[in-house]
Amino acid sequence: AQTVTQSQPEMSVQEAETVTLSCTYDTSENNYYLFWYKQPPSRQMILVIRQEAYKQQNATENRFSVNFQKAAKSFSLKISDSQLGDTAMYFCAFMIPGANSKLTFGKGITLSVRP
Amino acid sequence: DGGITQSPKYLFRKEGQNVTLSCEQNLNHDAMYWYRQDPGQGLRLIYYSQIVNDFQKGDIAEGYSVSREKKESFPLTVTSAQKNPTAFYLCASSIDWGVVSGYNEQFFGPGTRLTVL
Repeated sequence: AQTVTQSQPEMSVQEAETVTLSCTYDTSENNYYLFWYKQPPSRQMILVIRQEAYKQQNATENRFSVNFQKAAKSFSLKISDSQLGDTAMYFCAFMIPGANSKLTFGKGITLSVRP
Repeated sequence: DGGITQSPKYLFRKEGQNVTLSCEQNLNHDAMYWYRQDPGQGLRLIYYSQIVNDFQKGDIAEGYSVSREKKESFPLTVTSAQKNPTAFYLCASSIDWGVVSGYNEQFFGPGTRLTVL
């Protein structure tokens, strides 16, 4: 079974600064996908970024980038130039593609951006 | 506009009553999912459906039931057997169930907050 661990329940960052959210996972599979989802106060789940395990290059989406360390089973999210709208819960998630392609989520981290 | 709708947004139920949460999508997606979200627990999968008239239990199916009579609809019934039903419920859908060489993004609805009085 796959597990996803987010050990930091809360973090805070000053507007315009950079913050890194941590995630570790456990799996015996070699091919999988990792995701970061954002859930703002509206509670709508939004996909922030996706990483394919077979790609060595770290994914980036504008101000969001990941540090994917496959051997260490680590998948952290870096948010640069933090904005007030980044205030949300962030969930790390894992998926094995194929017939059992279900999402397994971590417990989430609450990020607050201070003005 | 294409998307996923869930209704109602807030739902109150008396203890011992069954209640049904609605989930509708007009994205022409084959697969649909129900998740439960509790504080400090993340999202946990209740049921999922690959195609019409087929569905499978997720990690926490006890006390819940579903049906998939139409492609666009996947209602979730919270039965009186569910011991702690107060939670936030999210529905999601994706194009195909399993693509061997790739993945299909799951799109989420706005959720329903269920409170048992």
